[in-house]
Amino acid sequence: EDKVVQSPLSLVVHEGDTVTLNCSYEVTNFRSLLWYKQEKKAPTFLFMLTSSGIEKKSGRLSSILDKKELSSILNITATQTGDSAIYLCAGTNFRTGNNRKLIWGLGTSLAVNP
Amino acid sequence: GAGVSQSPSNKVTEKGKDVELRCDPISGHTALYWYRQRLGQGLEFLIYFQGNSAPDKSGLPSDRFSAERTGESVSTLTIQRTQQEDSAVYLCASSSDLSNQPQHFGDGTRLSIL
Repeated sequence: EDKVVQSPLSLVVHEGDTVTLNCSYEVTNFRSLLWYKQEKKAPTFLFMLTSSGIEKKSGRLSSILDKKELSSILNITATQTGDSAIYLCAGTNFRTGNNRKLIWGLGTSLAVNP
Repeated sequence: GAGVSQSPSNKVTEKGKDVELRCDPISGHTALYWYRQRLGQGLEFLIYFQGNSAPDKSGLPSDRFSAERTGESVSTLTIQRTQQEDSAVYLCASSSDLSNQPQHFGDGTRLSIL
């Protein structure tokens, strides 16, 4: 059965710290891995990774995929209280037909204290 | 519209009543997804619509759950004879038909069954 596992489940840091969130996957016919940030309501899209070793960056956030290790990391540098959220990771696979379900991890709950 | 719109944002109802949740996807997005997120848990896939293809209903937890979509626009998720375990946030997401595009989420409907 396909699955995505995130670690740690929760993390508490101080403003200015750098954090690394982990996501490992077991997905048949793996296609891509996505990161989302969920604050109070809707998950908002951060990154989609399809190629191994190519870092994607957006401001203080960056992410990279390692297909050999079947994993991805999300880095946040110089954390701010506004980074407090649940970070979700999801995998997709190549499937016949039009089905494109995501396989979701349970998320990492990040709390950034002032 | 600019984003995925869901209504109502909150719904409180008595056990045994039927509820209908609405989702307006991003204009032009042919794929539409419904998820359920129970408190402190991950995203649980419910149903997926893609254009005129038959929907993927494999995630619907029971025959009390059903969903419809009119063409490539609005979708409604109906829960009949609600039970307390149906209490959750119901999230809708849409994505374009282009290959491997991320899903964009609405703010969800928080459903509370008394």
